[in-house]
Amino acid sequence: DTEVTQTPKHLVMGMTNKKSLKCEQHMGHRAMYWYKQKAKKPPELMFVYSYEKLSINESVPSRFSPECPNSSLLNLHLHALQPEDSALYLCASSHQTGGSGEQYFGPGTRLTVT
Amino acid sequence: QKEVEQNSGPLSVPEGAIASLNCTYSDRGSQSFFWYRQYSGKSPELIMSIYSNGDKEDGRFTAQLNKASQYVSLLIRDSQPSDSATYLCAVNTRANFNKFYFGSGTKLNVKP
Repeated sequence: DTEVTQTPKHLVMGMTNKKSLKCEQHMGHRAMYWYKQKAKKPPELMFVYSYEKLSINESVPSRFSPECPNSSLLNLHLHALQPEDSALYLCASSHQTGGSGEQYFGPGTRLTVT
Repeated sequence: QKEVEQNSGPLSVPEGAIASLNCTYSDRGSQSFFWYRQYSGKSPELIMSIYSNGDKEDGRFTAQLNKASQYVSLLIRDSQPSDSATYLCAVNTRANFNKFYFGSGTKLNVKP
């Protein structure tokens, strides 16, 4: 089973709202990722958690706040977003096996900021 | 210089033909190579991974890796209209194996 689940599928939020995106995997993967993808562009890395610790933050604005409560769950907390933050937000996971681990994506959350 | 480069396409092939998708990378420390298929509005789906020089076949798909030339390709035999999608090449390196570098993707159109 190579399933990564994400909720919600769609989210519309105003610029003053606070919302959270959720991601879950049960493959025993110890690396989890958040990506942002705009139309006709490749996924853009935001954050990487390795063994539940934040290992990469690609200079993401503080209005995006990641959280890894345990090895299976990953959250992305959203606050005071801008319309340009509208995008497909993808969660992914991979094994920590010295770099040969394959990365699997969830179905994504389509976020619209109004 | 981009770490991973792909021709954006579109690449158009007739149904039943072989589609050849290419990707070059700049970091000689790259060690793992992946091909993803992404349908419009959907998330990327892993279709092939390759770690050593040579060919790797899986059904109608063959991945080819040439580390000396820093080149990885994906061949799709007997192309079907359902193969029409954007194909993303991804690479990670020994120095930072948690970071996957993506190419910009090649759009493939398979015409019936």
